[in-house]
Amino acid sequence: QQQVKQSPQSLIVQKGGISIINCAYENTAFDYFPWYQQFPGKGPALLIAIRPDVSEKKEGRFTISFNKSAKQFSLHIMDSQPGDSATYFCAASMKSGTYKYIFGTGTRLKVLA
Amino acid sequence: DVKVTQSSRYLVKRTGEKVFLECVQDMDHENMFWYRQDPGLGLRLIYFSYDVKMKEKGDIPEGYSVSREKKERFSLILESASTNQTSMYLCASSSQGLGTQYFGPGTRLLVL
Repeated sequence: QQQVKQSPQSLIVQKGGISIINCAYENTAFDYFPWYQQFPGKGPALLIAIRPDVSEKKEGRFTISFNKSAKQFSLHIMDSQPGDSATYFCAASMKSGTYKYIFGTGTRLKVLA
Repeated sequence: DVKVTQSSRYLVKRTGEKVFLECVQDMDHENMFWYRQDPGLGLRLIYFSYDVKMKEKGDIPEGYSVSREKKERFSLILESASTNQTSMYLCASSSQGLGTQYFGPGTRLLVL
């Protein structure tokens, strides 16, 4: 019940295309869903996050779509660029003092020039 | 800017050695976390701390211990390093109630 399942494990997209990464969870107590981006040799950094009271959040070329009834959320990267090539992690967290995260297993994205 | 620093970027240790990994954050965050990152397994929580001298086990605490004597500093200790502890270790911190975890650059540990 504590797992967050992420797919695909790796993704290759042409420059200008749309990258889509999906995550699914079981625990309905989760109420905060961040996405992290990690470049080689760096720690993960927060990219965008959503709470379950909205179905979509957009920041520039990055959009989170959230389906509460299906217990799924996804990251869409529009007009993908070679600079977006990185590993992406979804996560889920419950409203608590520590905000402990459960991370997905990661998606390695490569955007071809 | 939030800054989380880790004492080493790369470490090479021998089996059986005691290993200390240190993490320092400069944002007065209450929460600090230690993860290990392995290909195909994502980030797995080893230990976390929500206050000085307080700690809780994460998902994979076996073979590790932690210490938090000061608010800004969180140490991960491998009492007797083993080859299966070869991994990338990531430290993170967050403020209570805010949610966002800020990560350090990671320490890549190789145990021979």
